[in-house]
Amino acid sequence: DAKTTQPTSMDCAEGRAANLPCNHSTISGNEYVYWYRQIHSQGPQYIIHGLKNNETNEMASLIITEDRKSSTLILPHATLRDTAVYYCIVSGGSQGNLIFGKGTKLSVKP
Amino acid sequence: SQTIHQWPATLVQPVGSPLSLECTVEGTSNPNLYWYRQAAGRGLQLLFYSVGIGQISSEVPQNLSASRPQDRQFILSSKKLLLSDSGFYLCALRLTYEQYFGPGTRLTVT
Repeated sequence: DAKTTQPTSMDCAEGRAANLPCNHSTISGNEYVYWYRQIHSQGPQYIIHGLKNNETNEMASLIITEDRKSSTLILPHATLRDTAVYYCIVSGGSQGNLIFGKGTKLSVKP
Repeated sequence: SQTIHQWPATLVQPVGSPLSLECTVEGTSNPNLYWYRQAAGRGLQLLFYSVGIGQISSEVPQNLSASRPQDRQFILSSKKLLLSDSGFYLCALRLTYEQYFGPGTRLTVT
């Protein structure tokens, strides 16, 4: 079973920031938080990952709480092409396998 | 950069028929390789992973098997397909931390 809890769906207006929450209260000290997304009929795409510090790349930002029990993926300026299912996954870094849950279906609307 | 090839892209097979799906990778050597399945409306399920030639680990007992005859080749097989084998089959490789997914094969068992 997935070790994370995410809302089933969310809506976001085009051009606004999309903030996707994830709870992972049982995360272990050596486990990373990963975010992937899956656009319809395609394979999942890696977005970002982090251990305990906040991370930012060209796609998104990842904010991890100090106790590491939850995190938020931020898409700063959502576009229609960001409509996808977003998966939050907890895994043991370079040695761990990914266990996908049901994710959050993000709909970006004009 | 790495590339994953999967074929065929789509496949329709009758119940009881054999199956062979092939995945080949380019641009990397000795990768960890993975097979996932996504049934309609469901999340991704890890089926097999391999850390090297001839080394296969199974995550879910079923009528499927996997083989890795060459460093960059990963094959998913079945001797007799079931209706429940229908789904979207994805091959993935692990980079340093993240996994990179191929385009997938959509299998319909009739």
